[in-house]
Amino acid sequence: EAGVVQSPRYKIIEKKQPVAFWCNPISGHNTLYWYRQNLGQGPELLIRYENEEAVDDSQLPKDRFSAERLKGVDSTLKIQPAELGDSAVYLCASSLVIGGTETQYFGPGTRLLVL
Amino acid sequence: EDKVVQSPLSLVVHEGDTVTLNCSYEVTNFRSLLWYKQEKKAPTFLFMLTSSGIEKKSGRLSSILDKKELFSILNITATQTGDSAIYLCAGRGGSQGNLIFGKGTKLSVKP
Repeated sequence: EAGVVQSPRYKIIEKKQPVAFWCNPISGHNTLYWYRQNLGQGPELLIRYENEEAVDDSQLPKDRFSAERLKGVDSTLKIQPAELGDSAVYLCASSLVIGGTETQYFGPGTRLLVL
Repeated sequence: EDKVVQSPLSLVVHEGDTVTLNCSYEVTNFRSLLWYKQEKKAPTFLFMLTSSGIEKKSGRLSSILDKKELFSILNITATQTGDSAIYLCAGRGGSQGNLIFGKGTKLSVKP
């Protein structure tokens, strides 16, 4: 079974440029997460989707970040304009609840470097 | 504010050593504690703990949760170089039931 797919794997851009990341979750997983992981830190949640609905976007910096999950399957995360401090690894995860237990499966992430 | 604190932040051992990684948490509406192993990029799931005192084992790895003292440990026996990774601890809770991650423990196993 294919895992969570993310692209691109690496992205280098200049500040003030826009950037977009794509995620395809595991088939059948209704819940999708975007995390940001800074160097030496654990992942921090940006947004969580249940199907196509963003149920928690309280940690998403909405002045420059946006996300969508049309049709409740794959998702994109966009930053416009990017700032130097946005350099990080952006992780996508998906999950399925079975018997009341939820396990998140992570994709390989996109490493963003803003110059 | 919900938080998860891991210690040590980094650890260097030799093959064959046994290591214990620590995780303490302060998470409102706590539901469960999870351990992940992160090599290169994608964290991979190791354990989920919901009940105190019940050890979970997978090969040379084991973990236990103490809900009274609000901590968990991850043990790795007979370490191998392939165990080198960052080990992340996360508490599930808060108002939305999301995962709150610690900073991780970077384990390096030398041959």
